[in-house]
Amino acid sequence: LAKTTQPISMDSYEGQEVNITCSHNNIATNDYITWYQQFPSQGPRFIIQGYKTKVTNEVASLFIPADRKSSTLSLPRVSLSDTAVYYCLVDEGGNTGKLIFGQGTTLQVKP
Amino acid sequence: NAGVMQNPRHLVRRRGQEARLRCSPMKGHSHVYWYRQLPEEGLKFMVYLQKENIIDESGMPKERFSAEFPKEGPSILRIQQVVRGDSAAYFCASSPITSGRGTDTQYFGPGTRLTVL
Repeated sequence: LAKTTQPISMDSYEGQEVNITCSHNNIATNDYITWYQQFPSQGPRFIIQGYKTKVTNEVASLFIPADRKSSTLSLPRVSLSDTAVYYCLVDEGGNTGKLIFGQGTTLQVKP
Repeated sequence: NAGVMQNPRHLVRRRGQEARLRCSPMKGHSHVYWYRQLPEEGLKFMVYLQKENIIDESGMPKERFSAEFPKEGPSILRIQQVVRGDSAAYFCASSPITSGRGTDTQYFGPGTRLTVL
Protein backbone atom coordinates (compact mmCIF):
# COMPACT_ATOMS: atom_id res chain seq x y z
CA LEU A 1 0.00 0.00 0.00
CA ALA A 2 1.30 3.45 -0.91
CA LYS A 3 2.49 5.61 1.92
CA THR A 4 1.12 9.11 2.27
CA THR A 5 2.69 12.25 3.68
CA GLN A 6 0.69 15.27 4.75
CA PRO A 7 1.29 18.23 7.06
CA ILE A 8 0.76 17.51 10.73
CA SER A 9 -1.25 20.66 11.30
CA MET A 10 -2.67 23.75 9.61
CA ASP A 11 -4.34 26.91 10.84
CA SER A 12 -6.92 28.93 8.99
CA TYR A 13 -9.57 31.58 9.60
CA GLU A 14 -13.28 31.44 9.01
CA GLY A 15 -14.28 32.16 5.44
CA GLN A 16 -10.93 31.25 3.92
CA GLU A 17 -10.26 28.48 1.44
CA VAL A 18 -8.09 25.71 2.83
CA ASN A 19 -5.91 23.46 0.71
CA ILE A 20 -4.34 20.36 2.23
CA THR A 21 -1.78 18.60 0.08
CA CYS A 22 -0.91 14.94 0.39
CA SER A 23 2.13 13.29 -1.18
CA HIS A 24 1.95 9.69 -2.38
CA ASN A 25 5.02 9.19 -4.52
CA ASN A 26 4.65 5.42 -4.74
CA ILE A 27 1.02 5.37 -5.77
CA ALA A 28 0.17 2.36 -7.92
CA THR A 29 -1.80 2.31 -11.14
CA ASN A 30 -4.90 0.89 -9.48
CA ASP A 31 -4.80 3.07 -6.36
CA TYR A 32 -7.57 5.53 -5.59
CA ILE A 33 -7.15 8.59 -3.36
CA THR A 34 -9.63 9.00 -0.55
CA TRP A 35 -10.01 11.64 2.14
CA TYR A 36 -11.71 11.19 5.50
CA GLN A 37 -12.56 13.75 8.18
CA GLN A 38 -12.58 13.02 11.89
CA PHE A 39 -14.02 15.23 14.61
CA PRO A 40 -12.95 14.73 18.22
CA SER A 41 -14.60 11.73 19.86
CA GLN A 42 -16.21 10.62 16.60
CA GLY A 43 -15.51 8.09 13.89
CA PRO A 44 -14.01 9.19 10.56
CA ARG A 45 -16.36 10.39 7.85
CA PHE A 46 -15.80 9.95 4.12
CA ILE A 47 -15.30 13.27 2.33
CA ILE A 48 -14.24 12.56 -1.24
CA GLN A 49 -12.52 10.06 -3.50
CA GLY A 50 -10.81 10.40 -6.86
CA TYR A 51 -8.51 8.73 -9.35
CA LYS A 52 -7.29 11.57 -11.55
CA THR A 53 -7.94 15.22 -12.49
CA LYS A 54 -10.61 16.91 -10.41
CA VAL A 55 -13.51 15.69 -8.36
CA THR A 56 -16.02 17.97 -6.68
CA ASN A 57 -18.91 17.33 -4.35
CA GLU A 58 -21.02 19.42 -1.99
CA VAL A 59 -18.32 19.37 0.68
CA ALA A 60 -14.94 19.64 -1.05
CA SER A 61 -12.88 19.41 -4.20
CA LEU A 62 -10.03 17.05 -4.88
CA PHE A 63 -7.29 17.98 -7.32
CA ILE A 64 -5.02 15.27 -8.68
CA PRO A 65 -2.21 16.14 -11.13
CA ALA A 66 -1.40 13.95 -14.11
CA ASP A 67 1.43 12.08 -12.39
CA ARG A 68 -0.87 11.33 -9.41
CA LYS A 69 2.04 11.59 -6.97
CA SER A 70 0.16 14.10 -4.90
CA SER A 71 -3.36 15.31 -4.32
CA THR A 72 -4.91 18.44 -2.80
CA LEU A 73 -8.08 18.56 -0.78
CA SER A 74 -9.73 21.95 -1.09
CA LEU A 75 -12.29 23.15 1.45
CA PRO A 76 -14.06 26.33 0.34
CA ARG A 77 -14.87 29.02 2.90
CA VAL A 78 -14.19 27.04 6.05
CA SER A 79 -16.11 27.58 9.25
CA LEU A 80 -15.28 26.80 12.86
CA SER A 81 -17.09 23.48 12.49
CA ASP A 82 -14.52 22.35 9.92
CA THR A 83 -11.94 22.05 12.70
CA ALA A 84 -11.01 18.38 12.51
CA VAL A 85 -8.34 15.90 11.48
CA TYR A 86 -8.19 15.17 7.75
CA TYR A 87 -6.76 11.88 6.54
CA CYS A 88 -5.45 11.16 3.07
CA LEU A 89 -5.49 7.49 2.06
CA VAL A 90 -4.49 5.64 -1.09
CA ASP A 91 -5.49 2.08 -1.85
CA GLU A 92 -6.24 -0.15 -4.77
CA GLY A 93 -9.63 -0.57 -6.30
CA GLY A 94 -11.93 -3.36 -5.30
CA ASN A 95 -12.77 -4.66 -1.90
CA THR A 96 -9.34 -4.90 -0.34
CA GLY A 97 -10.81 -4.23 3.06
CA LYS A 98 -8.51 -2.33 5.29
CA LEU A 99 -7.90 1.38 5.20
CA ILE A 100 -4.43 2.57 6.18
CA PHE A 101 -4.63 5.81 8.13
CA GLY A 102 -1.59 7.99 8.68
CA GLN A 103 -1.28 10.75 11.25
CA GLY A 104 -3.58 13.06 9.32
CA THR A 105 -3.62 16.85 9.23
CA THR A 106 -5.16 18.66 12.17
CA LEU A 107 -6.94 21.70 10.80
CA GLN A 108 -7.69 24.46 13.30
CA VAL A 109 -10.12 27.09 12.07
CA LYS A 110 -10.02 30.32 14.04
CA PRO A 111 -12.68 33.03 14.25
CA ASN B 1 -31.46 4.54 7.54
CA ALA B 2 -29.64 4.30 10.83
CA GLY B 3 -25.89 4.56 10.75
CA VAL B 4 -23.37 2.16 12.19
CA MET B 5 -24.15 1.56 15.82
CA GLN B 6 -21.69 0.64 18.49
CA ASN B 7 -22.23 -0.17 22.12
CA PRO B 8 -21.33 0.52 24.70
CA ARG B 9 -19.98 3.99 23.96
CA HIS B 10 -17.82 3.87 27.06
CA LEU B 11 -16.53 0.78 28.81
CA VAL B 12 -14.43 0.59 31.94
CA ARG B 13 -12.69 -2.63 32.88
CA ARG B 14 -10.12 -3.66 35.44
CA ARG B 15 -7.00 -5.46 34.40
CA GLY B 16 -7.68 -9.13 33.74
CA GLN B 17 -11.36 -8.70 32.90
CA GLU B 18 -12.96 -9.28 29.53
CA ALA B 19 -14.25 -6.56 27.23
CA ARG B 20 -16.96 -7.14 24.62
CA LEU B 21 -17.58 -4.47 22.04
CA ARG B 22 -20.59 -4.67 19.73
CA CYS B 23 -21.13 -3.27 16.28
CA SER B 24 -24.29 -3.26 14.20
CA PRO B 25 -23.54 -2.34 10.58
CA MET B 26 -25.72 -0.16 8.44
CA LYS B 27 -28.72 -1.90 6.94
CA GLY B 28 -27.75 -3.78 3.83
CA HIS B 29 -24.04 -3.77 4.62
CA SER B 30 -22.35 -7.14 4.76
CA HIS B 31 -18.75 -6.06 5.41
CA VAL B 32 -17.51 -5.04 8.85
CA TYR B 33 -14.15 -3.62 9.86
CA TRP B 34 -12.64 -2.91 13.27
CA TYR B 35 -10.04 -0.23 13.94
CA ARG B 36 -8.24 0.88 17.09
CA GLN B 37 -7.16 4.44 17.82
CA LEU B 38 -4.72 5.15 20.60
CA PRO B 39 -4.66 8.68 22.05
CA GLU B 40 -3.16 11.24 19.67
CA GLU B 41 -2.68 8.63 16.94
CA GLY B 42 -4.37 7.63 13.71
CA LEU B 43 -6.63 4.64 13.33
CA LYS B 44 -5.05 1.22 12.96
CA PHE B 45 -6.81 -1.56 11.08
CA MET B 46 -7.50 -4.67 13.12
CA VAL B 47 -9.83 -7.04 11.28
CA TYR B 48 -12.17 -7.31 8.32
CA LEU B 49 -15.16 -9.64 8.44
CA GLN B 50 -18.06 -10.71 6.32
CA LYS B 51 -20.97 -12.71 7.64
CA GLU B 52 -19.56 -15.78 9.40
CA ASN B 53 -16.12 -15.25 7.84
CA ILE B 54 -12.91 -13.53 8.86
CA ILE B 55 -11.42 -12.11 5.68
CA ASP B 56 -8.34 -10.32 7.01
CA GLU B 57 -7.15 -10.31 10.61
CA SER B 58 -3.63 -9.11 9.91
CA GLY B 59 -4.01 -6.21 12.33
CA MET B 60 -5.25 -8.23 15.26
CA PRO B 61 -2.89 -8.96 18.15
CA LYS B 62 -2.12 -12.67 18.19
CA GLU B 63 -3.34 -13.18 21.72
CA ARG B 64 -6.38 -12.13 23.75
CA PHE B 65 -8.21 -10.52 20.81
CA SER B 66 -10.91 -12.16 18.71
CA ALA B 67 -13.70 -11.01 16.44
CA GLU B 68 -16.81 -12.51 14.94
CA PHE B 69 -19.68 -11.49 12.71
CA PRO B 70 -22.38 -14.13 13.08
CA LYS B 71 -25.16 -14.83 10.63
CA GLU B 72 -27.56 -13.08 12.97
CA GLY B 73 -26.74 -10.25 15.31
CA PRO B 74 -23.97 -7.71 15.66
CA SER B 75 -20.28 -8.12 15.14
CA ILE B 76 -18.36 -8.64 18.38
CA LEU B 77 -14.80 -7.64 19.20
CA ARG B 78 -13.69 -9.51 22.29
CA ILE B 79 -10.66 -8.69 24.38
CA GLN B 80 -9.76 -11.18 27.06
CA GLN B 81 -7.67 -10.39 30.14
CA VAL B 82 -7.44 -6.71 29.33
CA VAL B 83 -4.31 -4.73 30.16
CA ARG B 84 -3.81 -0.98 30.49
CA GLY B 85 -2.32 -0.83 26.99
CA ASP B 86 -5.69 -1.89 25.58
CA SER B 87 -7.16 1.46 26.58
CA ALA B 88 -8.17 3.09 23.32
CA ALA B 89 -11.08 4.02 21.11
CA TYR B 90 -12.34 1.10 19.04
CA PHE B 91 -14.18 1.99 15.86
CA CYS B 92 -16.30 -0.24 13.72
CA ALA B 93 -17.04 0.51 10.07
CA SER B 94 -19.26 -1.14 7.50
CA SER B 95 -19.54 -1.11 3.75
CA PRO B 96 -21.89 -2.59 1.18
CA ILE B 97 -20.99 -5.29 -1.30
CA THR B 98 -18.11 -3.95 -3.34
CA SER B 99 -18.84 -2.14 -6.55
CA GLY B 100 -15.39 -3.01 -7.80
CA ARG B 101 -14.62 0.64 -8.61
CA GLY B 102 -12.38 2.38 -6.18
CA THR B 103 -12.49 1.45 -2.55
CA ASP B 104 -15.97 1.25 -1.19
CA THR B 105 -16.73 3.97 1.29
CA GLN B 106 -16.55 2.73 4.85
CA TYR B 107 -19.11 4.19 7.22
CA PHE B 108 -17.82 4.48 10.76
CA GLY B 109 -19.64 4.18 14.02
CA PRO B 110 -19.16 6.55 16.97
CA GLY B 111 -16.68 4.22 18.62
CA THR B 112 -16.34 2.53 21.99
CA ARG B 113 -13.90 4.11 24.39
CA LEU B 114 -12.32 1.42 26.51
CA THR B 115 -10.58 2.38 29.71
CA VAL B 116 -8.64 -0.24 31.60
CA LEU B 117 -7.96 0.58 35.23
